[in-house]
Amino acid sequence: EDKVVQSPLSLVVHEGDTVTLNCSYEVTNFRSLLWYKQEKKAPTFLFMLTSSGIEKKSGRLSSILDKKELFSILNITATQTGDSAIYLCAVKNQGGKLIFGQGTELSVKP
Amino acid sequence: KAGVTQTPRYLIKTRGQQVTLSCSPISGHRSVSWYQQTPGQGLQFLFEYFSETQRNKGNFPGRFSGRQFSNSRSEMNVSTLELGDSALYLCASSPDRGELSEAFFGQGTRLTVV
Repeated sequence: EDKVVQSPLSLVVHEGDTVTLNCSYEVTNFRSLLWYKQEKKAPTFLFMLTSSGIEKKSGRLSSILDKKELFSILNITATQTGDSAIYLCAVKNQGGKLIFGQGTELSVKP
Repeated sequence: KAGVTQTPRYLIKTRGQQVTLSCSPISGHRSVSWYQQTPGQGLQFLFEYFSETQRNKGNFPGRFSGRQFSNSRSEMNVSTLELGDSALYLCASSPDRGELSEAFFGQGTRLTVV
């Protein structure tokens, strides 16, 4: 059965800290891996990764994929209280279906 | 460009009733997928529509159904509601069926079954 596992499930840090969120997967016919940030309702798209070893970067956020070891990490540097959210990792398979992990709940304290 | 629009935002229904939720994708997007989000199960795939055809279906009972119109707008229907159907229902739109297409989510419809 396809599965996506995120760790940790929750994390509390202070402003200015750097955090690393993990996502491992076992998905048949992997096509891409996507990261989302969910604050209240709609998950907001962050990154889509398809190739190993190529870092995607947007401001203080960056992500990389390892297709050999079947995992991805999402890094957030110099965290701010506005980064508090649930971070979701999802893998898209050959049929285009997104398989989600449980999410990591990040709380950034002032 | 307007984002994905879901209506209504909130809904309260009684057990046994049926409900219809609506999703308007981003202009030009032709693929619409539906997901159910609950605290216990996380985000689970319901189905995907492309060019008015259901292309993919998750592991949900037949009470959950959907359709897509020629303008790519989609509706999902849940019949004979159960308490366990209380959840946030999210719709995602993609430009096409491509496996390398990004998916953008709407704000969701919060359904409460009492």
